[in-house]
Amino acid sequence: GAGVSQSPSNKVTEKGKDVELRCDPISGHTALYWYRQSLGQGLEFLIYFQGNSAPDKSGLPSDRFSAERTGGSVSTLTIQRTQQEDSAVYLCASSLSGGSGEQYFGPGTRLTVT
Amino acid sequence: AQSVTQPDIHITVSEGASLELRCNYSYGATPYLFWYVQSPGQGLQLLLKYFSGDTLVQGIKGFEAEFKRSQSSFNLRKPSVHWSDAAEYFCAVGPTSGTYKYIFGTGTRLKVLA
Repeated sequence: GAGVSQSPSNKVTEKGKDVELRCDPISGHTALYWYRQSLGQGLEFLIYFQGNSAPDKSGLPSDRFSAERTGGSVSTLTIQRTQQEDSAVYLCASSLSGGSGEQYFGPGTRLTVT
Repeated sequence: AQSVTQPDIHITVSEGASLELRCNYSYGATPYLFWYVQSPGQGLQLLLKYFSGDTLVQGIKGFEAEFKRSQSSFNLRKPSVHWSDAAEYFCAVGPTSGTYKYIFGTGTRLKVLA
């Protein structure tokens, strides 16, 4: 079946602009995660959704970052007033029920802020 | 604070040789431990996981890992490496106590010589 998809695959934006990154999880997966992968770094947890609610936003690095999930499916990560340090690959993963279940990762969105 | 350390940034092995990738963690309780692989242009894929029980776990693609509580380690092994194993490997622990957060190591990039 279809895996996790993310769009766009690449995004180049100017410093100060807002960007939206989209994640389509596997159908039926209630848990959804966003991560950031910077060059030479591991994955940095950003936010976790269970259904439409986000019980753990502890990884969002600043108030410029926000995310929502609608209909228990698609999620959007929004970065306002982008900075060069926001340049990274943003990964989305979904899991059947969260907790310690296996996460299925999307291919990521490579964001470059110029 | 919980953490995951992968001491080797790069490892090069010859095809057919054995492989061991190191992972050390810091966690207050018995952790849930994972190894993921990220092939070029691919999303992360789960290789194996440890929750409890037998400390030697088998995964996909001929990989195995051993949980050693006394050493706080969860090293990944493969007896004979194939050229297609060239990828980046990430160790992870989670979800961390009281949160839904997963912590990933910085990864080990494996190069396989023909």
